[in-house]
Amino acid sequence: RKEVEQDPGPFNVPEGATVAFNCTYSNSASQSFFWYRQDCRKEPKLLMSVYSSGNEDGRFTAQLNRASQYISLLIRDSKLSDSATYLCVVNTLNDYKLSFGAGTTVTVRA
Amino acid sequence: NAGVTQTPKFRVLKTGQSMTLLCAQDMNHEYMYWYRQDPGMGLRLIHYSVGEGTTAKGEVPDGYNVSRLKKQNFLLGLESAAPSQTSVYFCASSTGPNQPQHFGDGTRLSIL
Repeated sequence: RKEVEQDPGPFNVPEGATVAFNCTYSNSASQSFFWYRQDCRKEPKLLMSVYSSGNEDGRFTAQLNRASQYISLLIRDSKLSDSATYLCVVNTLNDYKLSFGAGTTVTVRA
Repeated sequence: NAGVTQTPKFRVLKTGQSMTLLCAQDMNHEYMYWYRQDPGMGLRLIHYSVGEGTTAKGEVPDGYNVSRLKKQNFLLGLESAAPSQTSVYFCASSTGPNQPQHFGDGTRLSIL
């Protein structure tokens, strides 16, 4: 079983729509969670950290569900510039590294 | 602000050739990482370092070596390049094991 699993999508949504997707992780002892954004052929960039109580950053909302071992990302009022691949990232406590999901692709159309 | 800088940006090698990829960071980060990214797959960790003079194996270390002689630099070597090593290579750094990582803009490597 992969440490981090994501629905690859693609999620194809119109401008202004809301889109949400989840990521599941296998290690129940995981403590740090992040969402990264990766544009085509570019480097991943940190979008936001995910906190236990959930958190918002503008149009982006992240949630953590420890009982079911998943995190979610919701994008409100989608913009064309939100088109990207979103990577779910989770730490592994026993090693000094993070585990990356393969990504969920979102395409926002005009 | 430079952040994480990778050189070269692109390279084409023949099977059996060797080369070194350089990663430099100016953020005084202790931790540095080398990943490869292949189509349809997530980032896979090759090697990492938790401080100057230290290195450790990641998920896919075979065929690669690394060195961290200076805190700001992390070198990735391909001893004898193989077509299976055709990939995009990303370097990253962070302040600690559970902290966000900052990435360089990648090296696109093709091995013929």
